[in-house]
Amino acid sequence: DAKTTQPTSMDCAEGRAANLPCNHSTISGNEYVYWYRQIHSQGPQYIIHGLKNNETNEMASLIITEDRKSSTLILPHATLRDTAVYYCIVGDLMMDSSYKLIFGSGTRLLVRP
Amino acid sequence: DTAVSQTPKYLVTQMGNDKSIKCEQNLGHDTMYWYKQDSKKFLKIMFSYNNKELIINETVPNRFSPKSPDKAHLNLHINSLELGDSAVYFCASSLELAGLPGNEQFFGPGTRLTVL
Repeated sequence: DAKTTQPTSMDCAEGRAANLPCNHSTISGNEYVYWYRQIHSQGPQYIIHGLKNNETNEMASLIITEDRKSSTLILPHATLRDTAVYYCIVGDLMMDSSYKLIFGSGTRLLVRP
Repeated sequence: DTAVSQTPKYLVTQMGNDKSIKCEQNLGHDTMYWYKQDSKKFLKIMFSYNNKELIINETVPNRFSPKSPDKAHLNLHINSLELGDSAVYFCASSLELAGLPGNEQFFGPGTRLTVL
């Protein structure tokens, strides 16, 4: 089972910031938070990841709370092309110390014109 | 050049048939994956190969058999196809096993399998 919970759907206006929340209250100290998105009929696309500190790249910013039990993905200026399902993922530590990413149901973001 | 490619993009076949989906990555990654996305859009990992060795094998019927002839290819063979196998199948690759920085997964465009 996925170790994260996200709202089923959200919407925002084009040009405005989209803030997508994620809860991961059972996260372990060395587990990273990953965000992927899936635009309709395409394969998932990596967006960003983080451990403790806030992160920013050309696509988005990731804000992780101090207790690491939740995070928020921020798309600073959403465009219509950002309409997609956004997945927040915490790796599942396996017996051999490797990780497995388990995708939950994600948040369906609709960017309105 | 496409980083992760899959063929075919669409596959329509009858129940009971055997079919294969091919996947190739030109990223130089060591790890490749197969995921299944069902009609409810849940994306579930099926297999993972690292350096041609099977690493992750989820609870998947043994009618599904992955084959990795080399690090750049991971093909999925499905025998005795059933109606419930209808789904979109995604191939992915990462430098090493996903979950740690630097090992982000790159996904292919998907293969939509329809079993009649």
